[in-house]
Amino acid sequence: QSVLTQPPSVSAAPGQKVTISCSGSSSNIGNNYVSWYQQLPGTAPKLLIYDNNKRPSGIPDRFSGSKSGTSATLGITGLQTGDEADYYCGTWDSSLSAHWVFGGGTKLTVL
Amino acid sequence: QVQLQESGPGLVKPSQTLSLTCTVSGGSISSGDYYWSWIRQPPGKGLEWIGYIYYSGSTYYNPSLKSRVTISVDTSKNQFSLKLSSVTAADTAVYYCAINRMDAFDIWGQGTMVTVSS
Repeated sequence: QSVLTQPPSVSAAPGQKVTISCSGSSSNIGNNYVSWYQQLPGTAPKLLIYDNNKRPSGIPDRFSGSKSGTSATLGITGLQTGDEADYYCGTWDSSLSAHWVFGGGTKLTVL
Repeated sequence: QVQLQESGPGLVKPSQTLSLTCTVSGGSISSGDYYWSWIRQPPGKGLEWIGYIYYSGSTYYNPSLKSRVTISVDTSKNQFSLKLSSVTAADTAVYYCAINRMDAFDIWGQGTMVTVSS
């Protein structure tokens, strides 16, 4: 059971838009920055979004992030078949046992 | 551009200690305001943060693994290492080293599969 809750799967057609949610609490998302990672099959995760909504150099603006309260959302527009991957949210949890936490991951299928 | 490469045994026996090394290239492990990290992923499952060591030497561990984990840095070799003791089959996973620089893990190694089995 992950501390951050993501839907197990989402799907959409090429060219469409999809959003992936990440729900947490005041000890994690509510008071810390959220980052998002894309993991293509058989590869290491890749940073897509940091500080809730910033994109590292080289990440297209089709990918966006937002945060409201204790939830965060990753948005992907203009879906491509190459976007099929697992997506993870992550953040620091500032509870007594402070540590980094990740969501359980969301499998994106581009139909 | 900094790159990371994990290395170590691919098979460890139950109750023994898992030892992995991450070699840093393209930059010095002594420089920068970085957290040198270990993250693992059991087969077919999600990511689990193991812990990290700050460039100053301070360590931070996942509470669920803290009693069994040690992360250290060898500046002379530009490497950092993971030791996980008393392993069981539940520790079978792909182990990644990564750098946390912007309150996010922005550089990752390719990962190394470690199987715990007799």
